[in-house]
Amino acid sequence: AQSVAQPEDQVNVAEGNPLTVKCTYSVSGNPYLFWYVQYPNRGLQFLLKYITGDNLVKGSYGFEAEFNKSQTSFHLKKPSALVSDSALYFCAVRDGIEANDMRFGAGTRLTVKP
Amino acid sequence: EPEVTQTPSHQVTQMGQEVILRCVPISNHLYFYWYRQILGQKVEFLVSFYNNEISEKSEIFDDQFSVERPDGSNFTLKIRSTKLEDSAMYFCASSEGDRTSNQPQHFGDGTRLSIL
Repeated sequence: AQSVAQPEDQVNVAEGNPLTVKCTYSVSGNPYLFWYVQYPNRGLQFLLKYITGDNLVKGSYGFEAEFNKSQTSFHLKKPSALVSDSALYFCAVRDGIEANDMRFGAGTRLTVKP
Repeated sequence: EPEVTQTPSHQVTQMGQEVILRCVPISNHLYFYWYRQILGQKVEFLVSFYNNEISEKSEIFDDQFSVERPDGSNFTLKIRSTKLEDSAMYFCASSEGDRTSNQPQHFGDGTRLSIL
């Protein structure tokens, strides 16, 4: 069965600095990887996905993520953080062979300070 | 941009009562999902639904849960006899396709269910 881990509960960065939110995964087949963001009192918003192809995928709001098969990681990155990026970020994985469902990480709270 | 909408935003129910959570998926989407998030815990998959039947369900989705698409637009989750541990945020999601089409799921803002 697929699973995903977000090792950091909280990430703090200063505005303008690069940010990284970490995610590692485990699947039996080909991984389909996703990042979602959750703002207070809102649902999950899709940021980006990796299916196949280029290991660096670009998504909404200037975010990008790098798929690393050897390290089974899919870290979310942004070159220059904004205060408005402060939110809860969820990594999710779907196993290409198995079920239709997605498995979510526990979430990482990103706080960007001015 | 089209959105998944969920009602109500907050539902308070006595333990043992039935509750129905409602969702209106994006209109051209064919696959529908329910997830829940217990406060402070991870988002958990409950069930996926396609062509008027359940396609996948998790171990959480036991006999007290059911889903239905009663008309062309609504997608509901019913909890027959609620328990205290059903208190959570319930998210509905929809997508154009399933894993083979790799389309992302779009989520509603959730219904906060509080069982007293």
